[in-house]
Amino acid sequence: NAGVTQTPKFRVLKTGQSMTLLCAQDMNHEYMYWYRQDPGMGLRLIHYSVGEGTTAKGEVPDGYNVSRLKKQNFLLGLESAAPSQTSVYFCASSRPVAGGNNEQFFGPGTRLTVL
Amino acid sequence: AQKITQTQPGMFVQEKEAVTLDCTYDTSDPSYGLFWYKQPSSGEMIFLIYQGSYDQQNATEGRYSLNFQKARKSANLVISASQLGDSAMYFCAMRGITSGTYKYIFGTGTRLKVLA
Repeated sequence: NAGVTQTPKFRVLKTGQSMTLLCAQDMNHEYMYWYRQDPGMGLRLIHYSVGEGTTAKGEVPDGYNVSRLKKQNFLLGLESAAPSQTSVYFCASSRPVAGGNNEQFFGPGTRLTVL
Repeated sequence: AQKITQTQPGMFVQEKEAVTLDCTYDTSDPSYGLFWYKQPSSGEMIFLIYQGSYDQQNATEGRYSLNFQKARKSANLVISASQLGDSAMYFCAMRGITSGTYKYIFGTGTRLKVLA
């Protein structure tokens, strides 16, 4: 099993450009998440999904859109990139577990730079 | 609102000694889960240990243990017999259970350096 994979691993954009980050998981997990990690701020939740066809906003959703058309894929879109979106983006997935120990499995991250 | 606080930006520990990384939390959810993750310099996030709020015993996983003090709302990670490979960033996280929220809240992390 590949676990959680992210495409691309690195990307440089110019301000105003758009792009889509792809997250794929092969563990049949219901829940999927997009985070951004900035120095000194830990991981902040952008958007998440509790199942195919459903998405919800996290802590810092502005400037991002997401889609979950297939259970195994979770896409993060930047319509008009801004330098403030320079960050490392992590995708994660988890499954419902009775008792709550539903650890998240993380992808390797995507390093995005917006010039 | 949920909140996780890690007050130690950086810690040093001598190899083979034990170290405690602090984590305090705030939540109105009567049932919740607490997680610790490790992020080495290579960048991946590695799950270490989980503690449920109604678990009677503190969680342990090998050299990792969680010092859970519910009344004080703290969930400190204890690493025994530190190894050079333990040098990494460590994140505490929480998820509410009763509320049905599927969101996780992370702390800002503690960078641990193990000295030879």
